[in-house]
Amino acid sequence: QKEVEQDPGPLSVPEGAIVSLNCTYSNSAFQYFMWYRQYSRKGPELLMYTYSSGNKEDGRFTAQVDKSSKYISLFIRDSQPSDSATYLCWNTNAGKSTFGDGTTLTVKP
Amino acid sequence: NAGVTQTPKFQVLKTGQSMTLQCAQDMNHNSMYWYRQDPGMGLRLIYYSASEGTTDKGEVPNGYNVSRLNKREFSLRLESAAPSQTSVYFCASSAVTAGSHEQYFGPGTRLTVT
Repeated sequence: QKEVEQDPGPLSVPEGAIVSLNCTYSNSAFQYFMWYRQYSRKGPELLMYTYSSGNKEDGRFTAQVDKSSKYISLFIRDSQPSDSATYLCWNTNAGKSTFGDGTTLTVKP
Repeated sequence: NAGVTQTPKFQVLKTGQSMTLQCAQDMNHNSMYWYRQDPGMGLRLIYYSASEGTTDKGEVPNGYNVSRLNKREFSLRLESAAPSQTSVYFCASSAVTAGSHEQYFGPGTRLTVT
């Protein structure tokens, strides 16, 4: 079993929809959680970063961590065509980090 | 600042050929990483270097070697390329070792082995 499992997708939504992207992890030692966004044929770039349970907001994006159930989510409000990309969750503790396989999102105008 | 740069951007090799992928960062980061990305399999860590002079194996090190030439540069070598090594290779750097700090990625090298 992989240490980080991500909803595989792909996901296609109309513009303006609320999007929910999800990952589960098995290693309770993971302390830091990030979401990366990767546009086609580009390198990943950091979108959101959190290290505690609860919600963190940044504009239209909300990252949610539930350490008790080992579940992390990324919510996108009022989704835009420019949000079309692959989203990767990333978990780490000291010395070990793991990426999820990514969920490809397409937002249709 | 250029961030993380990688060369070449594209490469086609025949089975058995060797090549070195180059990576450099100008952010004074201690840690550097090499990943490969295959369709549907996310990013898998090949090797990483926590600091100048140290390297460690990641999840998929077989068939690769690395050199941390100095603080700025981290190269990945394929000694005898195989079709299974066809992939997109990303170099990344961060301020600390796989800890709480963001990894900054380069644009990638698309490698095809025929």
